[in-house]
This record gives sequence, structure tokens and C-alpha cells, in this order.
Amino acid sequence: EVRLLESGGSLVQSGGSLRLSCVASGFTFGSCAMSWVRQAPGKGLESVSSISGSGSSTYYADSVVGRFTVSRDNFDNTLYLQMTSLRAEDTAVYYCANHFGNTYIYDALDIWGQGTMVTVSS
Amino acid sequence: QAVVTQEPSLTVSPGGTVTLTCDSSTGAVTSGHYPCWFQQKPGQAPRTLIYDVGNRHSWTPARFTGSLLGDKAALTLSGAQPDDEADYYCLLSYNGARVFGGGTKLTVL
Repeated sequence: EVRLLESGGSLVQSGGSLRLSCVASGFTFGSCAMSWVRQAPGKGLESVSSISGSGSSTYYADSVVGRFTVSRDNFDNTLYLQMTSLRAEDTAVYYCANHFGNTYIYDALDIWGQGTMVTVSS
Repeated sequence: QAVVTQEPSLTVSPGGTVTLTCDSSTGAVTSGHYPCWFQQKPGQAPRTLIYDVGNRHSWTPARFTGSLLGDKAALTLSGAQPDDEADYYCLLSYNGARVFGGGTKLTVL
């Protein structure tokens, strides 16, 4: 069974930093691209960042470029999202999701985790 | 950045048929946008329903059908069930940049 378990969300002050983790199991982690998607309270979904299976290619939404960094450890089956210079508008539930294949450009999202809440206080 | 537009809300009667659409500000939606559809119920994570226009996930009931309809992507629900009441989001890919629609709140009533 494919499982994705996010952690690291918490309450942080504006301008602060946080690192989210997503531990994967039940599939060949290094063969799948991974993405972070967030959802602000009462709002819709927003694609935040993606990374290819090898980690050689990444994507960032305009709203987080220069502040967030996505990475992965294919030995530990873990996806990370390092978030810096956090703003109130970054407050959201952050979901990780795997893709059906190695690329995030062509391969669709498959399984989603349950999410971790990040609250940025101003 | 492209803007993806969905109907904010729709209502369907139990057993009825409804079509949700997904429009792109850049022009016609094509298979090259790899349109996907996700279902989200209150308090739950989203889950993938349809990918690459019309491919159902392993858990997606056959009553859900994805397609291209005119210049848009579409999700048709035939024979709506009360359990189908949820928020539905489409997602389009623009050369790696993935943009979600604002979501459609579907009421089965």
C-alpha cells in the first residue's frame, strides 16, 4: 500500500523558517516525481513545488521562488520542503503527493498524503 | 501565469447527470495540458479521480468520465450518488507548471 506521511508543520512567526518532511512507503520512491501542494484555510489547492525522481529537475510556483527549496533523499524515501522568509499568506495545509512516473511534467499526481498544517503569525 | 476556471458550484439530483468544466485562460485545453481531476471531501485530503484527460484511477467509479469538451476539459458524473457530494478540482499542466482551478462545490440534492 502506498503511504505518504507529512510532518514538520507548526506555528511560526513571519520571517521564520520551517522544514517539512514527507516519508514515503509502498512504492519505488526514486522512480517517482514528487510534489508539494498547499491549501489555505477555506481556499482551493495551489501547486507549490515539484521534483523529478532523480532530484535533478525542480519546479517552484512564482509565489515561493527564492524562499522555498524542495529536495529528496532517495535512500531514506523522504521528500523535504525547506521554507524560509515565511509570510502570513503561506499559512496552509501542505500536502505531498507522488506522481505516476519519474517526471512531474508528463506524469500525473497519484497518491496524496494527509497533510501537515503550517501557520505563520504576523 | 495561466488562470484555470471552474464553475464555483453545481447541483445535481440523485441519479442525475452533471458536467463540470475546466477552462484555460491561454486558449483551448488539449491533451498536452494533461488535465486531471481531484475529489476532496470536508476534512479529507484530495484524491486523484481522473488523469491524462480520461484515465480513471483504480478507485474511481465508472460513473465518472473525463473528456475534452469543446475548448475545455470536462468531468461528467452520470448517476450521481449522495457520496459524490464534494469539492472537485481540475489541474492543467503548462510545460511543468501545474495550475489548479478554483474548484467546483458539487451538491447532490
